[in-house]
Amino acid sequence: EVQLLESGGGLVQPGGSLRLSCAASGFTFSSFAMSWVRQAPGKGLEWVSTISANGDSTFYADSVKGRFTISRDNSKNTLYVQMNSLRAEDTAVYYCAKNSAYTYGYFESWGQGTLVSVSS
Amino acid sequence: DIQMTQSPSSLSASVGDRVTITCQASQDISKYLIWYQQKPGKAPKLLIYDASNLEIGVPSRFSGSGSGTDFTFTISSLQPEDIATYHCQQYHNLPRTFGQGTKLEIK
Repeated sequence: EVQLLESGGGLVQPGGSLRLSCAASGFTFSSFAMSWVRQAPGKGLEWVSTISANGDSTFYADSVKGRFTISRDNSKNTLYVQMNSLRAEDTAVYYCAKNSAYTYGYFESWGQGTLVSVSS
Repeated sequence: DIQMTQSPSSLSASVGDRVTITCQASQDISKYLIWYQQKPGKAPKLLIYDASNLEIGVPSRFSGSGSGTDFTFTISSLQPEDIATYHCQQYHNLPRTFGQGTKLEIK
């Protein structure tokens, strides 16, 4: 059974930084792309970033490009996102998702999410 | 970016009703459409991929159809446990984009 467990969320001031982690199990982590998707309170879903299975290719939404960095450690079955220069509009539940393919695909399985609140 | 327009934004129906939600893409996405179910306080769950393929373990009362720009999601006989928000999403292009969601309630 695929399990994805996010951690690292919390309250941070505008301009601050946070690193989220996602521990994966139940599948061959190094064979699938992974993604972050967020959901602001009471709003819809927004794709944030995707990293290919071997980590060589990364993709970002325009709203986070230059501020967020996605990475993975296939030896630890863990996905990360480093979030810098955080803004109030980054406040959301951040979900880790397993993609259906090596590079792109769709979001096949989701973690339970971790809440990031950006406020002074 | 491909815009996904989902309707209605909310829907109230009775147990046993047939429920239909539509999703329209701003350009041709072929069959590359997903439907997710999201229960309150929970993560989205994949129901249908490639517009019409039911994910393993998903009840057969759920179905999807369409291709190109127009897609439909149907629950053939609404059950109390189907109360949720339903989202469509295209995976034809980056950035992946979602519809705004349809909140389904029991009448």
